[in-house]
Amino acid sequence: EAGVAQSPRYKIIEKRQSVAFWCNPISGHATLYWYQQILGQGPKLLIQFQNNGVVDDSQLPKDRFSAERLKGVDSTLKIQPAKLEDSAVYLCASSLVGDYGTDTQYFGPGTRLTVL
Amino acid sequence: QKEVEQDPGPLSVPEGAIVSLNCTYSNSAFQYFMWYRQYSRKGPELLMYTYSSGNKEDGRFTAQVDKSSKYISLFIRDSQPSDSATYLCAMSAGSNYQLIWGAGTKLIIKP
Repeated sequence: EAGVAQSPRYKIIEKRQSVAFWCNPISGHATLYWYQQILGQGPKLLIQFQNNGVVDDSQLPKDRFSAERLKGVDSTLKIQPAKLEDSAVYLCASSLVGDYGTDTQYFGPGTRLTVL
Repeated sequence: QKEVEQDPGPLSVPEGAIVSLNCTYSNSAFQYFMWYRQYSRKGPELLMYTYSSGNKEDGRFTAQVDKSSKYISLFIRDSQPSDSATYLCAMSAGSNYQLIWGAGTKLIIKP
C-alpha cells in the first residue's frame, strides 16, 4: 500500500513570496489533515478535510494560508505572503474516517520550508 | 501552561537498556492516548494506542496510562540503535476532538 506522498520535500523562499505544497493521501482515506511542525514542537493542526469539505480550520491563519482538496483526493496548501515565522515542516496526514479517538493517522514525509 | 508537557531530552542510553518516556497533561477529559515515533526527516508514525487507563504491551513496547495522576508512559525494553528517534505523545478527548501533541522527546540509543 502506497503511503502519503508530499512534494516538494524542501523549499527555500524569501519573506513575502508565495509557496504551495501538494499532498496525495492514501487511497480510500476520506480524511486529510495539514499540520505545521515548528522545530522542537509537536505538530499543530492547520486544517482537516472530510472528503472535499472543511471540518476544522480554526487554527489556519486565513489571512495568508489557504488550502483546498479538489475531488476529495489530492490537496494543496498555499502560503501568500510568507513570513519568517512560517519556517517549519508542513506535514500532511490521512485517515480512513476522521475519528480522532480510534482512527490511525498516516503521515507523509513533510515539506521543510525555510523563509529567509 | 501547555495542555501536554513532555521533556524534550535528548535522552541518551546504552543499547539494551530499558527506556522510560513520559508525558503529563492537564485536561482530565482526555481519553485516547497515543505514542508516535518520528525518525529524522520523516513524518510521525503511530507506535502505541491506549484507551482510558491501564497498560498495553506490543513486543518490546509497553504503554501505561494513569488518569488519576494525568501521566502517561512508554517503556522500551532491550533498546536498539534503531529505536533512536523522537517520541511524541498525543491525546484526544474524543472522536471529534483534535489530537493535542507533546513537543517530543529525542531518544538516542548508543551501540
